Amino acid sequence: NAGVTQTPKFRILKIGQSMTLQCTQDMNHNYMYWYRQDPGMGLKLIYYSVGAGITDKGEVPNGYNVSRSTTEDFPLRLELAAPSQTSVYFCASVLGGDGNQPQHFGDGTRLSIL
Amino acid sequence: TQLLEQSPQFLSIQEGENLTVYCNSSSVFSSLQWYRQEPGEGPVLLVTVVTGGEVKKLKRLTFQFGDARKDSSLHITAAQPGDTGLYLCAGPDSGTYKYIFGTGTRLKVLA
Repeated sequence: NAGVTQTPKFRILKIGQSMTLQCTQDMNHNYMYWYRQDPGMGLKLIYYSVGAGITDKGEVPNGYNVSRSTTEDFPLRLELAAPSQTSVYFCASVLGGDGNQPQHFGDGTRLSIL
Repeated sequence: TQLLEQSPQFLSIQEGENLTVYCNSSSVFSSLQWYRQEPGEGPVLLVTVVTGGEVKKLKRLTFQFGDARKDSSLHITAAQPGDTGLYLCAGPDSGTYKYIFGTGTRLKVLA
């Protein structure tokens, strides 16, 4: 029972490099989310998706892009890495959109931009 | 914009002590969730409260939703080292499919 799987777990990038953070879920959830968590802080929403082919911006979308070609996968793309993007990134999925369903989180990707 | 503020931000207590963590907003939420996050892992749901005034218990943890659905509290009785972690409250952003997270309370229980 994998749940939400994120890869890689750790990554160091140089300023200006690009990378894709992978997220996949096997629970057939329609709703998926990308958050970043800075040290000692809560979670800030980057992008979210309510189904395949549909994505929308969250609170801090600048510098990121997403796609949702399938229900299972929701990759997050950093095009030109900047030191301000050093953070821990969490992907989450939810079964329904009524706000009462639990969010299922992956274990995160720890990203450092040097 | 709906906001959730948690207090205290940090809490360090001895094993066996009781504590309460607060999650407050000036906005009404249809429900609130509490998560616990341990180092190196993602948050895990503890409970969802839906009805104003609702009280839910999970072993030594007691969760309460305010009558006006603007606040919630988490009370831990006889804290244990295993309770150590980051506690987050979260609620649905009204009219959207997004969730708003609180600022978090980092709890350390010393043996």
